Amino acid sequence: GENVEQHPSTLSVQEGDSAVIKCTYSDSASNYFPWYKQELGKGPQLIIDIRSNVGEKKDQRIAVTLNKTAKHFSLHITETQPEDSAVYFCAASIGSGGGADGLTFGKGTHLIIQP
Amino acid sequence: EPEVTQTPSHQVTQMGQEVILRCVPISNHLYFYWYRQILGQKVEFLVSFYNNEISEKSEIFDDQFSVERPDGSNFTLKIRSTKLEDSAMYFCASKGWETQYFGPGTRLLVL
Repeated sequence: GENVEQHPSTLSVQEGDSAVIKCTYSDSASNYFPWYKQELGKGPQLIIDIRSNVGEKKDQRIAVTLNKTAKHFSLHITETQPEDSAVYFCAASIGSGGGADGLTFGKGTHLIIQP
Repeated sequence: EPEVTQTPSHQVTQMGQEVILRCVPISNHLYFYWYRQILGQKVEFLVSFYNNEISEKSEIFDDQFSVERPDGSNFTLKIRSTKLEDSAMYFCASKGWETQYFGPGTRLLVL
């Protein structure tokens, strides 16, 4: 089955700096890659996603890049703010649109924004 | 904005007891999921449900687990005889087309 590796496990950056979180996946059939943010005591919240036919997607301060050949994808957060502090999970699934495929998650990155 | 809701938020039970975790998915969604997250670990897929039947299940989802959509709004996860290792946060998610939206979770503690 699919295996998703995520690095780093903890990332501390100064407020205003950029943060990058990287994930790799093993199953070349995976074609949908969402990123979730989880705050303490809450469920994962989708922040951005990318499909395999797209190399990059941006939404304000957040961007995701995908390299299908290398089977890795990354989350980029620019101009970090204190409210960005949370645990971030990458995930992968085979289903892109329709289908009941479950998500395979990475182990998470605890992002700490230092004031 | 529509959201997935889950009840109860916390559940404490004795080993060997049955528990039922409840979820109300987003109303026009067709795909439903259960995941679990053991404290400090990653979120793990348990089962997906579509058209009133299980679509996919992981190796975690053994005979002790079952899911049901008893009516048009609820989606439940039953653990028949709980074990200590079932202690975790259980998340329900629903999907309309592509994006899975997660509920706030039920924290289950098995003593």
